[in-house]
Amino acid sequence: NAGVTQTPKFQVLKTGQSMTLQCAQDMNHNSMYWYRQDPGMGLRLIYYSASEGTTDKGEVPNGYNVSRLNKREFSLRLESAAPSQTSVYFCASRGTGGRGTEAFFGQGTRLTVV
Amino acid sequence: GIQVEQSPPDLILQEGANSTLRCNFSDSVNNLQWFHQNPWGQLINLFYIPSGTKQNGRLSATTVATERYSLLYISSSQTTDSGVYFCAVRAGTYKYIFGTGTRLKVLA
Repeated sequence: NAGVTQTPKFQVLKTGQSMTLQCAQDMNHNSMYWYRQDPGMGLRLIYYSASEGTTDKGEVPNGYNVSRLNKREFSLRLESAAPSQTSVYFCASRGTGGRGTEAFFGQGTRLTVV
Repeated sequence: GIQVEQSPPDLILQEGANSTLRCNFSDSVNNLQWFHQNPWGQLINLFYIPSGTKQNGRLSATTVATERYSLLYISSSQTTDSGVYFCAVRAGTYKYIFGTGTRLKVLA
């Protein structure tokens, strides 16, 4: 089972460059999430998508855009990268109903902006 | 918004010792999970536990939703238990908020 797959695993950007982080899940989950984790800190919610076609802001949305392309895929875009966006980015998905509401995480994307 | 606090922030144990990690949350939650982030950064699901008690090997967890806390017990700790332990709660319908984490180091 692949679960939640993120690409790329590592990326270095120059200030001002743009890029898109990809996330796909194969668990038929409705909800998907993007988090960032800064060194020594917990995970902070950037954006989430409750279902296909909907997206909402989390705790730290500034500087990011998202697209819920279909039920499987949820991408995160940095239009003009800044050094403050250096972080590890995690994608997660979650189903609905009872035990199905457990969230599962991808392996993370380590992004450095220089 | 909901606040999720974990204690202690750091913990050092000798191999074989037991420990209790705590997660307090400021409002009613729909569910709660415990994760272990290993030294390679992977987030590993430990427990889905909106209420009650569960056990999995040397680990067990208890959530008392009415009193807004959850506990994670680690018995007979091993060096492979090292890493950061997070609790995460679902506030409202969809938001999933993480706690501040407990950094555990188990010494051989």
